[in-house]
Amino acid sequence: KNQVEQSPQSLIILEGKNCTLQCNYTVSPFSNLRWYKQDTGRGPVSLTIMTFSENTKSNGRYTATLDADTKQSSLHITASQLSDSASYICVVSASRRGSTLGRLYFGRGTQLTVWP
Amino acid sequence: EPEVTQTPSHQVTQMGQEVILRCVPISNHLYFYWYRQILGQKVEFLVSFYNNEISEKSEIFDDQFSVERPDGSNFTLKIRSTKLEDSAMYFCASRTSGRETQYFGPGTRLLVL
Repeated sequence: KNQVEQSPQSLIILEGKNCTLQCNYTVSPFSNLRWYKQDTGRGPVSLTIMTFSENTKSNGRYTATLDADTKQSSLHITASQLSDSASYICVVSASRRGSTLGRLYFGRGTQLTVWP
Repeated sequence: EPEVTQTPSHQVTQMGQEVILRCVPISNHLYFYWYRQILGQKVEFLVSFYNNEISEKSEIFDDQFSVERPDGSNFTLKIRSTKLEDSAMYFCASRTSGRETQYFGPGTRLLVL
């Protein structure tokens, strides 16, 4: 069964601190993995996307890693800001034979709260 | 920067009524999607649409649901006879090609009473 599991479920950190969010998946066949940021009541916004051959990708203060062998990914946020408070969702795309269409499987997200 | 738009932002309806949720995808995008997110739960795939037809649908997308691209810009999700459990945030998404990032709209919050 295709699943995406994230941990921790929620996290509270102080402004300026770093944090790491985890994602484990069982989606197969794997196409790519994305991290999205979702503010309350808004649609998800893409932060990073990684394919099978990529093991790290950065976007400003966000750095995502991927271990395709162990089917694990992490999102590291450095020097957190109050505006980082949001849900961070790991999304894995499954490829389809003979098609470029990929179905997305979403994790439940990690709710990050940054306190001043 | 172009973005996906959705209307209405909120909709309240009575159980058994029909609702139509509207989306305007980014203009040069070819693949369109609907997702839903029940409060406190994960985002769930409903349906994907390409070349004027449904390409994939989930087990959630039963006969009560339908999608349409009535013109060159709008993409709609219709729920024929709403149920209480249809209450959720519904997100539309679009992308240029099958491998590119999906861009999500702001969502429509549907409440069925």
